[in-house]
Amino acid sequence: SQQGEEDPQALSIQEGENATMNCSYKTSINNLQWYRQNSGRGLVHLILIRSNEREKHSGRLRVTLDTSKKSSSLLITASRAADTASYFCATVFFGNEKLTFGTGTRLTIIP
Amino acid sequence: DTAVSQTPKYLVTQMGNDKSIKCEQNLGHDTMYWYKQDSKKFLKIMFSYNNKELIINETVPNRFSPKSPDKAHLNLHINSLELGDSAVYFCASSQEYFVSGGQGVTSGDTEAFFGQGTRLTVV
Repeated sequence: SQQGEEDPQALSIQEGENATMNCSYKTSINNLQWYRQNSGRGLVHLILIRSNEREKHSGRLRVTLDTSKKSSSLLITASRAADTASYFCATVFFGNEKLTFGTGTRLTIIP
Repeated sequence: DTAVSQTPKYLVTQMGNDKSIKCEQNLGHDTMYWYKQDSKKFLKIMFSYNNKELIINETVPNRFSPKSPDKAHLNLHINSLELGDSAVYFCASSQEYFVSGGQGVTSGDTEAFFGQGTRLTVV
């Protein structure tokens, strides 16, 4: 399976702390994307990082990509209660015309 | 102004029935998708259409039939519903489809926009 895997499956932290989620995948990618899903809602795109990029920032989000380890991490700094959601990584693999999602990390921010 | 809208949001039906889920996007995108999210939150692509043409057809029972009357719409029709079809179905669209390899033409630098989902419960 080319599906990515997120780690941890679930994460609970205090408001104001930083949250780090990891994603690992198996084959060479074109790009990797992170999405957020609030309970009962659709997915919302957060950030895209290309295979030739190593780090990308967007507001309180920081994404890193290590293609040698086939892994990516999403860091949310100064977490807020509104960040409570599931976070998915998604990859576009070379030779594959589809966006494949990982298993997700359920993040809970405790006020 | 909803970018990707799907109807209905909830659908409860009996086994054996036939049902449809509609999806429309007003983003002017060329590509639309159907994803299935199971109870464990695992998202799996089912179909992808580009300019009304079927691009991806995963291993999905042929009871599931997508229809794209135009590039702004991608409907999903399900025949003879089974208990295992219970899930949340998401429609999505993107500006172009994720092409890689081929004749040196690469794409994929495009995000997908998702609808709110349709929770299908088969009883």
